[in-house]
Amino acid sequence: SQTIHQWPATLVQPVGSPLSLECTVEGTSNPNLYWYRQAAGRGLQLLFYSVGIGQISSEVPQNLSASRPQDRQFILSSKKLLLSDSGFYLCAWSPERMYGYTFGSGTRLTVV
Amino acid sequence: SQQGEEDPQALSIQEGENATMNCSYKTSINNLQWYRQNSGRGLVHLILIRSNEREKHSGRLRVTLDTSKKSSSLLITASRAADTASYFCATALYSQGGKLIFGQGTELSVKP
Repeated sequence: SQTIHQWPATLVQPVGSPLSLECTVEGTSNPNLYWYRQAAGRGLQLLFYSVGIGQISSEVPQNLSASRPQDRQFILSSKKLLLSDSGFYLCAWSPERMYGYTFGSGTRLTVV
Repeated sequence: SQQGEEDPQALSIQEGENATMNCSYKTSINNLQWYRQNSGRGLVHLILIRSNEREKHSGRLRVTLDTSKKSSSLLITASRAADTASYFCATALYSQGGKLIFGQGTELSVKP
């Protein structure tokens, strides 16, 4: 069966520090991968998605970047965090476009 | 950008009652999906309805879709305290890469 792992669960980082969040999927190949951010009490905002290794589409110009170094690995990064980067970050995968997504358990990031 | 708008934003009912949540969207879609999120957790896929379908059932869940009105509803029958969560609709359009665009969600509280 397929599983998705996302870590860490919580993270407190100072302003100006770098960020690296990792997401991995097991039990499938060539998944579509997604990074979303959720502000407190709000809906999800799509940040990046990838349909293959090295293929990254950015939805929102911002302080973050994403990479897909391996088929089932999706990384969200920042060189210098801002206070506004705080939020709940969710990774998700789907077998193809137009299918339902399976979400990871999320990372709660607090920038102080 | 947000596509779906859920109504109401919050709903409080007693166990055993039915809960109805509505979702309106702005553009054409290929499918619409509903997700549940327990507090502080990742989202769980509940049901997917395609644009050529009008109604779909899954256990105690009933989803309807009216593409002429650009709206959908999620009905949870005989609610339980465990149904307490936030519920989100999300739309997908193949021409936009099939990525899911989420609404703001409805917060459902089921009191025992």
